[in-house]
Amino acid sequence: KAGVTQTPRYLIKTRGQQVTLSCSPISGHRSVSWYQQTPGQGLQFLFEYFSETQRNKGNFPGRFSGRQFSNSRSEMNVSTLELGDSALYLCASSLGLGQTNYGYTFGSGTRLTVV
Amino acid sequence: LAKTTQPISMDSYEGQEVNITCSHNNIATNDYITWYQQFPSQGPRFIIQGYKTKVTNEVASLFIPADRKSSTLSLPRVSLSDTAVYYCLVGDPRDNQGGKLIFGQGTELSVKP
Repeated sequence: KAGVTQTPRYLIKTRGQQVTLSCSPISGHRSVSWYQQTPGQGLQFLFEYFSETQRNKGNFPGRFSGRQFSNSRSEMNVSTLELGDSALYLCASSLGLGQTNYGYTFGSGTRLTVV
Repeated sequence: LAKTTQPISMDSYEGQEVNITCSHNNIATNDYITWYQQFPSQGPRFIIQGYKTKVTNEVASLFIPADRKSSTLSLPRVSLSDTAVYYCLVGDPRDNQGGKLIFGQGTELSVKP
């Protein structure tokens, strides 16, 4: 069974640009969550999508947005990139809303560097 | 969501049993306790989840006392590959917070030969 797939694995962007990251959840999983991980702030929740609808949102500016498609694949977009957006962006999937007995399955992440 | 407190770091040697304790004094009645493991530049990996007493799987055991204000993750006979950060999370799987997992600082476990 394939795991959570995130693309690209690494990305370098310039300040002011925008970026789109992709996440393919485990087959059958309908919930996709996004997290940002930095050395200073740790793992922080960005947002969660379920059945193409955003169900929860963390405390991030409007420059961070996302969407989910009918096949449960999700994308997140960051516009007007800032140096502080450099981080590991992680996607997690689960069967439905909330933690199942097996928790959330995370992908390996996209390492974004803003220069 | 209940706040958790864990040791920042722990050291161990190969073959030893490692116990990582997490404090969650404000745990709610419907909250479960979940542990994740994270290697550098990878996403966290689910290890174990429990509500009370003891839960064991092929990787670890989770001990939860009757008052549920703390929990202990036990890793039997650790190896070098168990060097990672371990996170303790507390939350109600059924509440509408859904995927909003709250990760604390975690415990950085270093296993030495």
